[in-house]
Amino acid sequence: QKEVEQDPGPLSVPEGAIVSLNCTYSNSAFQYFMWYRQYSRKGPELLMYTYSSGNKEDGRFTAQVDKSSKYISLFIRDSQPSDSATYLCAMSASGGSNYKLTFGKGTLLTVNP
Amino acid sequence: KAGVTQTPRYLIKTRGQQVTLSCSPISGHRSVSWYQQTPGQGLQFLFEYFSETQRNKGNFPGRFSGRQFSNSRSEMNVSTLELGDSALYLCASSHIPGEGPDTQYFGPGTRLTVL
Repeated sequence: QKEVEQDPGPLSVPEGAIVSLNCTYSNSAFQYFMWYRQYSRKGPELLMYTYSSGNKEDGRFTAQVDKSSKYISLFIRDSQPSDSATYLCAMSASGGSNYKLTFGKGTLLTVNP
Repeated sequence: KAGVTQTPRYLIKTRGQQVTLSCSPISGHRSVSWYQQTPGQGLQFLFEYFSETQRNKGNFPGRFSGRQFSNSRSEMNVSTLELGDSALYLCASSHIPGEGPDTQYFGPGTRLTVL
């Protein structure tokens, strides 16, 4: 079993839809949870960053972490064609000097006008 | 402020050759991490350097190596290339390791194709 599982999709939604992206993980040591967006031929860019459990909102984006279920989600409200990209979840056991990110494989999202 | 730059952007090599990829971090950033991204395995951590020292290493064979220079620029080398080494190699820089992931920035990557 991989440490981080993410449905690769692809996911296709109409403009304005609410998008739900999810990851599950097996390593209880993970404390830092991130969502990255990666456009074609670009490096990943950090969208949301959460420490431990709870919710975090930033504009149209909401990240949720449920450590008891080892499950994280990213919600995108009022999705736009510009949101079309691959979304990667990532996790880290520590923000200290030995932190390294463990990524899901990514979900390809297409938002259709 | 200029972002993370990686050179070359695209590279084609044949099996058995070796390759060197370069990463210039954001000015002032001293930590550089390298990742390999493939469709099958996703993004996988290779190694991390800070102040010219490798501080962390992922589960890759010894054919993958790296180094960091005094100006924080980093190179990674892959020797005896295999077809499976075809991937996007990403570099990420941060000011100091230990700060949160929100201070880490990725470069655009080097697309390596092994024929």
